[in-house]
Amino acid sequence: EVQLVESGGGLVQPGGSLRLSCTASGFTFSSYSMNWVRQAPGKGLEWVSYIGSSSSTIYYADSVKGRFTISRDNAKNSLYLQMNSLRAEDTAVYYCARVGGRGTHWGQGTLVTVSS
Amino acid sequence: DIQMTQSPSSLSASVGDRVTITCQASQDISNYLNWYQQKPGKAPKVLIYDASNLETGVPSRFSGSGSGTDFTFTISSLQPEDIATYYCQQYDNLPLTFGGGTKVEIK
Repeated sequence: EVQLVESGGGLVQPGGSLRLSCTASGFTFSSYSMNWVRQAPGKGLEWVSYIGSSSSTIYYADSVKGRFTISRDNAKNSLYLQMNSLRAEDTAVYYCARVGGRGTHWGQGTLVTVSS
Repeated sequence: DIQMTQSPSSLSASVGDRVTITCQASQDISNYLNWYQQKPGKAPKVLIYDASNLETGVPSRFSGSGSGTDFTFTISSLQPEDIATYYCQQYDNLPLTFGGGTKVEIK
């Protein structure tokens, strides 16, 4: 069974940093590209970042470019999102997701709250 | 970026009614479209992939159709447990983009 489990969320002050992790199981993690998607309270879904299976291809949404860094460790079956210079508008539930038709799976999400 | 225009944004229907949601892409995405159901406090759950394929374990009252730019999601007979917000999402190109969502309520 495919499982994606996020961790690392919490309360952080504006301008602060946080590192999210996503641990994968039930599939060959190193064979799949991965994404981070977020959802602000009461809002819709917003794609944040993509990383290819070998980390050679990386993309970011304009809203986080230059502040967030996606990475992965295929030996540890783990995906990461380093978030710096956090703003109030980054407050959201962050999901890691394997997206692609039949193989689409999402984690349960981790809440990031940016507030003083 | 590919824009996904989903309508309606909300609807109210009776148990047993047929419910239809549409999603229009700003450019041809072939059949690279997922439909999700999201209940409060939960992660989105894939119901339909590749525009028209029912995910394993999903009731057959859910269906999807379309290709290119115009897509339709249907609940053939609305049940109380179907109360949720539904989203379309294209995965033809990055950035992945989502429709704005349709909140389905019971009348």
